[in-house]
Amino acid sequence: VQVLESGGGLVQPGGSLSLSCVTSGFTFGSFALSWVRQAPGERLEWLSHISQGGGSTYYADSVKGRFTVSRDDSKSTLYLHMNDLRPDDTAVYFCAKDSYASGLYGHLEYWGQGNLVTVSS
Amino acid sequence: DIRMTQSPSSLSASVGDRVSITCRASQDITKYVNWYQQKPGEAPRLLVYAAISVQSGVPSRFSGSGYGTDFTLTISDVQPEDFATYSCQQSFSMPITFGQGTRLDIK
Repeated sequence: VQVLESGGGLVQPGGSLSLSCVTSGFTFGSFALSWVRQAPGERLEWLSHISQGGGSTYYADSVKGRFTVSRDDSKSTLYLHMNDLRPDDTAVYFCAKDSYASGLYGHLEYWGQGNLVTVSS
Repeated sequence: DIRMTQSPSSLSASVGDRVSITCRASQDITKYVNWYQQKPGEAPRLLVYAAISVQSGVPSRFSGSGYGTDFTLTISDVQPEDFATYSCQQSFSMPITFGQGTRLDIK
């Protein structure tokens, strides 16, 4: 299993950025996926979850209304579209494969290497 | 939101020691706690899921226990490659939440 993120970088406050997560080695369309971030020196923070097929999505309150998760099963790719970025969104962003098709009770089996997003003027 | 509180926040140990890290949930989460290991500059690695199940490929010196609100990750014979930060995570209810992490370093 491989999970490879891309799309991070420097963005000004109020700006937008999109992250991609290309995967291989498993049946992408059969599993849920999540985004998790980690600010410098802080704990891991779960951001978003998308179910198998994309029919269900969940967001942390800290990003609800600003971030949108989506998936393209034909490309085995997960996306995170981030709008209205703030300095406290500065973090390393990870995508992760869930153990189940959707919802709760699972665990994050495989993680990408992480992608740094810096929000600063 | 369910709050996950780990103790201690940091821990010093010698190679060969047995160490335990605890995680307390702010409400009953039955068995739905997972444990991850993270080294600087790397992604988290799943060690234990559903409180007691060791992920494939993880050395048998790692084990998990607990149910309800109190959980423990134990390393029975600490090896040099085990010095890292360990985090618990609940998947019982949304939003999914993590503990603050426990740093294990060399004594």
